Amino acid sequence: AQKVTQAQTEISVVEKEDVTLDCVYETRDTTYYLFWYKQPPSGELVFLIRRNSFDEQNEISGRYSWNFQKSTSSFNFTITASQVVDSAVYFCALSEETSGSRLTFGEGTQLTVNP
Amino acid sequence: DAGVIQSPRHEVTEMGQEVTLRCKPISGHDYLFWYRQTMMRGLELLIYFNNNVPIDDSGMPEDRFSAKMPNASFSTLKIQPSEPRDSAVYFCASSLTYGQGRPEAFFGQGTRLTVV
Repeated sequence: AQKVTQAQTEISVVEKEDVTLDCVYETRDTTYYLFWYKQPPSGELVFLIRRNSFDEQNEISGRYSWNFQKSTSSFNFTITASQVVDSAVYFCALSEETSGSRLTFGEGTQLTVNP
Repeated sequence: DAGVIQSPRHEVTEMGQEVTLRCKPISGHDYLFWYRQTMMRGLELLIYFNNNVPIDDSGMPEDRFSAKMPNASFSTLKIQPSEPRDSAVYFCASSLTYGQGRPEAFFGQGTRLTVV
């Protein structure tokens, strides 16, 4: 069965600090995708990134970077030089090839960036 | 593309009334999902469709919930009769077929349902 765990319920940092959001997943499939979504206070769910199980290259997009490690079943998300606008709930999600495109979400991490 | 469009954005209704939530997926997407978000249970998948056909409705909490997708551009989620515990944010999402390499789901803005 697929499962996503985000152990950090809430994180609070001061602006300009770096912060890492952890995500650990479980799956029996060899082909799967991992995702991160952002839910700002306005409530919409915004897609940030996808990673497939065959691509362990880390990715950087501006202040955001993602570290995918199959050996530890982790897909962590780092925000460098955090800003107040980064305050949101961040969700990690998994979809397995055998389950089609359906997503299983983690519980989410509430990130608060204080000025 | 305008993205996934949901209506209404907010709905307040009295217990026992019928509620219908609407969704227009992104054109060309093969999958449509209905999720519910609550503080207690997080994001739950209620039902999803592939090419307008319901694939898995095991997440639908009770027979009071039903969903339809009469064509590729429209879906409804109906609750009849509604109860206070149905109060939540309901999201519709759509995505391409998994094998196309871009299976990420794009979400609508959600419908905040309050049943009093």
